[in-house]
Order: sequence, then C-alpha cells, then structure tokens
Amino acid sequence: DTAVSQTPKYLVTQMGNDKSIKCEQNLGHDTMYWYKQDSKKFLKIMFSYNNKELIINETVPNRFSPKSPDKAHLNLHINSLELGDSAVYFCASSQESASFQETQYFGPGTRLLVL
Amino acid sequence: GENVEQHPSTLSVQEGDSAVIKCTYSDSASNYFPWYKQELGKRPQLIIDIRSNVGEKKDQRIAVTLNKTAKHFSLHITETQPEDSAVYFCAAKRGSTLGRLYFGRGTQLTVWP
Repeated sequence: DTAVSQTPKYLVTQMGNDKSIKCEQNLGHDTMYWYKQDSKKFLKIMFSYNNKELIINETVPNRFSPKSPDKAHLNLHINSLELGDSAVYFCASSQESASFQETQYFGPGTRLLVL
Repeated sequence: GENVEQHPSTLSVQEGDSAVIKCTYSDSASNYFPWYKQELGKRPQLIIDIRSNVGEKKDQRIAVTLNKTAKHFSLHITETQPEDSAVYFCAAKRGSTLGRLYFGRGTQLTVWP
C-alpha cells in the first residue's frame, strides 16, 4: 500500500548507456514531479506533470525525457548517461486541484551511479 | 521566480536543547510554507506546514512561525532527541503556481546524546 513507489531503487551503469526510472502513485493525485538530489542534498525540480500535461520543465539537458502515460505514472528516461548524472532521483506527487491539499509526497528515491 | 534562503546549513545541539532553523523568501505572493525532514538514505517527509493566514502552528515538539511582513518563517524543535538528527528543508509556494515548490538548500541537524 505504498503511496509513491519508484523502480529501481538502485541503478549502476556505464557512461553512455540509456536507462529508465519508473514512478507510480496510488493517492489519486493529479500532479507528479521528478527531483534530482545531488551529493550536497539540494532538491532540484526537473519536471512536473499535471493531468498528464507537462507544466514544469526546468533547465535540464534534453537527454532527460519524462513521460506520463496516465495520471498515476511518471517515468524518466535518460539517454547517453554522464558521470554528472549520478544522484538520487525522487518522484513526488500532490493534489493541486483541491484547496489546501497541495502537500507533496515523495517516493523512496532511485540511487543512480554512473561509472 | 521565488528565492528561498535557509540558515544555518549545519546545526549541532545537545540532546534536550532547542533548535531553530530560519528561512526567508522573496515572493510576497507565496502563501504555503511546508517543512520536510529527510533522514539519511530516506525520502523527504512533511513534518509541518503553515499557510499565510496563520502566524504560528504547533505539533508536539515542533512549531513553525511565519512573519509575512518580513518574509521569513522558522522551524522550532524543542527538547531535541537524537532521532531528530536529519536534513531539514523549508519550502515556499504560491497558491496560483501549479505544483511549484521552491526549496531551501537544507539544514543538517545533529543532536548529540
């Protein structure tokens, strides 16, 4: 009954490879996010989807491509992985359409290590 | 856009002492201010939040205060315990900005037994 789940938990890969991270939420929320957390712990927003529509697209290399097949899922595909992509990637979700319910709930994170 | 600054970046206290973390924001239209706690290797989790129509909110040992005029808000933890050790993040959001939370850079709190 995990609210926001991500797969995989750990991802170790070589430079130049392509990889995907998946996220699912069972909270019935209408908005989902991807954050990147580097070694200094800063939480940087990358993308956000509201009802499957992209609403936030920060300055992220176009090697990163999000996809939201439905409101409950948000995936992140990364092409040509680089050393600097090593980080923890968190998925989150919130209910933006209802007043006073915009708390963001985070998934457990995917620890990506690029060698 | 919004700019949220958080201080201090590290904070060490003795068990039983109080801890205070302060944040300032730049956008006067921000009206929702959550605080997240992230334990080592875990996900950020909401511990308390406050809206701009309220000046203070308490939940057991945790309290948050908001000064809209000065555009700053603070987290207060009383009677700290070793399990309070974690990274704490403040954030700010406009009611009209769909989904966008602006996070501070985090405070590493260490509580020594």
